[in-house]
Amino acid sequence: QKEVEQDPGPLSVPEGAIVSLNCTYSNSAFQYFMWYRQYSRKGPELLMYTYSSGNKEDGRFTAQVDKSSKYISLFIRDSQPSDSATYLCAMSVDQGGKLIFGQGTELSVKP
Amino acid sequence: IAGITQAPTSQILAAGRRMTLRCTQDMRHNAMYWYRQDLGLGLRLIHYSNTAGTTGKGEVPDGYSVSRANTDDFPLTLASAVPSQTSVYFCASSDASGGTDTQYFGPGTRLTVL
Repeated sequence: QKEVEQDPGPLSVPEGAIVSLNCTYSNSAFQYFMWYRQYSRKGPELLMYTYSSGNKEDGRFTAQVDKSSKYISLFIRDSQPSDSATYLCAMSVDQGGKLIFGQGTELSVKP
Repeated sequence: IAGITQAPTSQILAAGRRMTLRCTQDMRHNAMYWYRQDLGLGLRLIHYSNTAGTTGKGEVPDGYSVSRANTDDFPLTLASAVPSQTSVYFCASSDASGGTDTQYFGPGTRLTVL
């Protein structure tokens, strides 16, 4: 079993929909949680960064961490075609520690 | 423009050949990483370097070697390529001295080993 599990999709939604992307993990020592966005044939770029449990909002994006359930989520409101990309969750035990990535979820937002 | 450059962009390589993937960053980050990305497996860490002169093994180091002679460069070498090393390779760097420890990724090298 992988330390971090993520449904690879693909996920297709209409423009304006609310998107929910999720990851589960098995290592209770993870404290730092990230979401990266990767456009086709590009390198990943950091989208959201969260420490420990709780919510973090940035524009149309909200990241949630539930450490008791070992479950993290990324919500995208009012999704746009430009949000079409692969979204990867990542987590680490220590700040500056090695990142463990999920498999990535491919999202397509249709106009 | 500051960032990470990787070369080559893509390469087709015969099995058994030696290949070095180049990575250079101009952000003066102390930490650098090499990942491979395969369908269904996500990004897996091959090797990393926390600072110039030091390197460490990641999740899938076999068949790969790295060196970190200076802050900016972190080449990845395949001594004798095998078809299972066909993948997309990403180099990343971070300022792991504190803060959010964001990893910045290069554009990737697509490697096919035949």
